[in-house]
Amino acid sequence: GENVEQHPSTLSVQEGDSAVIKCTYSDSASNYFPWYKQELGKGPQLIIDIRSNVGEKKDQRIAVTLNKTAKHFSLHITETQPEDSAVYFCAASMDYGGATNKLIFGTGTLLAVQP
Amino acid sequence: DVKVTQSSRYLVKRTGEKVFLECVQDMDHENMFWYRQDPGLGLRLIYFSYDVKMKEKGDIPEGYSVSREKKERFSLILESASTNQTSMYLCASSSPTGAKKLFFGSGTQLSVL
Repeated sequence: GENVEQHPSTLSVQEGDSAVIKCTYSDSASNYFPWYKQELGKGPQLIIDIRSNVGEKKDQRIAVTLNKTAKHFSLHITETQPEDSAVYFCAASMDYGGATNKLIFGTGTLLAVQP
Repeated sequence: DVKVTQSSRYLVKRTGEKVFLECVQDMDHENMFWYRQDPGLGLRLIYFSYDVKMKEKGDIPEGYSVSREKKERFSLILESASTNQTSMYLCASSSPTGAKKLFFGSGTQLSVL
């Protein structure tokens, strides 16, 4: 089955710097790659996702890149702010366009943005 | 906004007790999921359901069962709680169409003593 590895497990940056979190997946059939952000005391929330027919997607200060050949995908946060401090999870799944969206999650990255 | 409500934020139970974790969603979603979150292990899928009275095992179903009698409600049952089931439990729902986005509840931190 699918296996998703995520690095680093913790990341500390200065406010205004960029942060990059990397994930690798094992199943070349996976075609949907979302990123979730979990703030303290809350459930994870989808922040951005990418499908395998696209190499990069941006939404304001966040972007996700996908390298299908290497089976890598990454989350990039620019101009980090203290409110970006949270745990970030990557995930992968095979999206058949039907009911199935069983996600396999990475182990999470605790991002701390120092003011 | 979609709301996924988990009945308890914190729960303390004793070894051997039968434990019910309840989850209700208000967006008429067909899909519902139970995940377990442990430090260093991420989110692991316990059970999921595509429809009322339907259930499928996830990656770590041992020691758990589920019930889905109504579309909006998905219950996780620990038949005989053990200390290794101490964890954060997260419920989620999604629509089978559209963007496949999961909507999570705030979680239940279960401690089994």
